[in-house]
Amino acid sequence: LAKTTQPISMDSYEGQEVNITCSHNNIATNDYITWYQQFPSQGPRFIIQGYKTKVTNEVASLFIPADRKSSTLSLPRVSLSDTAVYYCLVGVTSGTYKYIFGTGTRLKVLA
Amino acid sequence: DAGITQSPRYKITETGRQVTLMCHQTWSHSYMFWYRQDLGHGLRLIYYSAAADITDKGEVPDGYVVSRSKTENFPLTLESATRSQTSVYFCASSETVRGELFFGEGSRLTVL
Repeated sequence: LAKTTQPISMDSYEGQEVNITCSHNNIATNDYITWYQQFPSQGPRFIIQGYKTKVTNEVASLFIPADRKSSTLSLPRVSLSDTAVYYCLVGVTSGTYKYIFGTGTRLKVLA
Repeated sequence: DAGITQSPRYKITETGRQVTLMCHQTWSHSYMFWYRQDLGHGLRLIYYSAAADITDKGEVPDGYVVSRSKTENFPLTLESATRSQTSVYFCASSETVRGELFFGEGSRLTVL
């Protein structure tokens, strides 16, 4: 199973771009990379998913290098409401679906 | 309402009692999951299911039992609750194996 490693915490200021990197050295060929956002007292919420290169949606971008051993979630121009915990999840598609979350990155956005 | 719902949202029980947390989803997703999240920590997978009548253990299955007789329901039972099972429990579902999970609002369980 692919294990993920993320920084425990990050601070940023409003209006800045935030990049959170996740390491997943033993990702399997068919695995997708998914990022979630969790606010206190709520369940995690899907942000973005990708397989390779770059994916962009209305809230974030996901950059995946060719070797796919890491990925970077990019949040453009963060606001105070982006303060949350962000999880990187590597989906296991090769016969099992045992989705193990890492410790997550606690992002604090400062005014 | 469409979506994934958990009940009860809050539960206080005593050590040794049996507790069942319910999870219901209206999307007919094949895959369902139970996670626990202890205060200030990440999510740990308890059990998961690929379809009705197919379940498997996650990272921390001891002390828990699951069943899935219908696609839309995935109840989690603590057969004899212990204080260490005080936690917030999240149910999730997914249509595919790619990892896009949809979570419920959580059930906060306190075992005295």
